[in-house]
Amino acid sequence: GQQLNQSPQSMFIQEGEDVSMNCTSSSIFNTWLWYKQDPGEGPVLLIALYKAGELTSNGRLTAQFGITRKDSFLNISASIPSDVGIYFCAGLGTSYGKLTFGQGTILTVHP
Amino acid sequence: DADVTQTPRNRITKTGKRIMLECSQTKGHDRMYWYRQDPGLGLRLIYYSFDVKDINKGEISDGYSVSRQAQAKFSLSLESAIPNQTALYFCATSDRVDTQYFGPGTRLTVL
Repeated sequence: GQQLNQSPQSMFIQEGEDVSMNCTSSSIFNTWLWYKQDPGEGPVLLIALYKAGELTSNGRLTAQFGITRKDSFLNISASIPSDVGIYFCAGLGTSYGKLTFGQGTILTVHP
Repeated sequence: DADVTQTPRNRITKTGKRIMLECSQTKGHDRMYWYRQDPGLGLRLIYYSFDVKDINKGEISDGYSVSRQAQAKFSLSLESAIPNQTALYFCATSDRVDTQYFGPGTRLTVL
């Protein structure tokens, strides 16, 4: 089946720093999604990308749908303590209605 | 009130016991999903349902069964729980193929 490789697995940064994470796949995806999971809660959708090359922002978050349709990137600018959590990428490919999730990136922000 | 609720939130049980996890939603969505989350593995799809009469296996359905009692209710059962089914379980709903809304999760421990 389709698989997503998400990196890095974890990040430890200082407040105010920028963050970058990415997901890659050997398969083509038609939609890329980025979710954030806070401790003790379910994932919450941050950004959705529907077109190759698309660049979309949501506040301090910016995500891009790779031109090859096999990768996506998420950037967080000027990180703050409440950015801590697990970030997941997810792709919608040829399996109708079924998302494939990356392994997650654990983000820790030191004040 | 939360749009997607899961009960129980935490459960400790013994090997061989039958367990049912329940999910309810007030979003009016037709599509519902059950995922399992393990550290370092992201979310993996167990079962999904696109309407009340539709049930489909996901990538890790062995050892699990589901019931879609109504549009708003989707339950997951472990007929005979085993220790490697210890995990976080999430229910999700969507009205489109991509935007999935997650419940708060159930932490299950099988001793």
